[in-house]
Amino acid sequence: SQTIHQWPATLVQPVGSPLSLECTVEGTSNPNLYWYRQAAGRGLQLLFYSIGIGQISSEVPQNLSASRPQDRQFILSSKKLLLSDSGFYLCAWSVGGGQYNEQFFGPGTRLTVL
Amino acid sequence: SQQGEEDPQALSIQEGENATMNCSYKTSINNLQWYRQNSGRGLVHLILIRSNEREKHSGRLRVTLDTSKKSSSLLITASRAADTASYFCATVKGNNRLAFGKGNQVVVIP
Repeated sequence: SQTIHQWPATLVQPVGSPLSLECTVEGTSNPNLYWYRQAAGRGLQLLFYSIGIGQISSEVPQNLSASRPQDRQFILSSKKLLLSDSGFYLCAWSVGGGQYNEQFFGPGTRLTVL
Repeated sequence: SQQGEEDPQALSIQEGENATMNCSYKTSINNLQWYRQNSGRGLVHLILIRSNEREKHSGRLRVTLDTSKKSSSLLITASRAADTASYFCATVKGNNRLAFGKGNQVVVIP
């Protein structure tokens, strides 16, 4: 069966510090991968998605970047965090080339920037 | 109801009652999906209804889709305390992406 992991679960970082959040998927090959951010009590904002290694699409301009160094690994990064980067970050995957686009989410990372 | 520009809706009900929440969308769809999110957790896929379907059931869940009105509803029958969560609808945005609504928060009081 497929599983998706995210770490860390929680993170408190000072403004201006770098960020690296990791997401890995097991039990599937060539998945589509997604990074979302969720502000408190709000819906999901798609940040990045990837259909293959090294293929990253950005949805909105921001202080963040994403990379996919391996088929089932998706990394969200920042060189210098802003206060507005605080939020709940969710990684998700879907079947590559799938027709129905059902997505499977990781447990999330709670990021607080102080 | 959820849609792109509205604030999240909240619903508080007693255990055993039915909970109904709505979702509207703006563009043509291939399918519409509902997800549940428990507080502080990731989203869990509940049910998918295709554009040529009008109603679908899964356990205590019933989803309807009205493509002429561009709306969908999710009904949870005989609610339980464990149903307390936020519920999101999502439509396919193209290129393997989903567009999520703002969510409906449901609180089931034991």
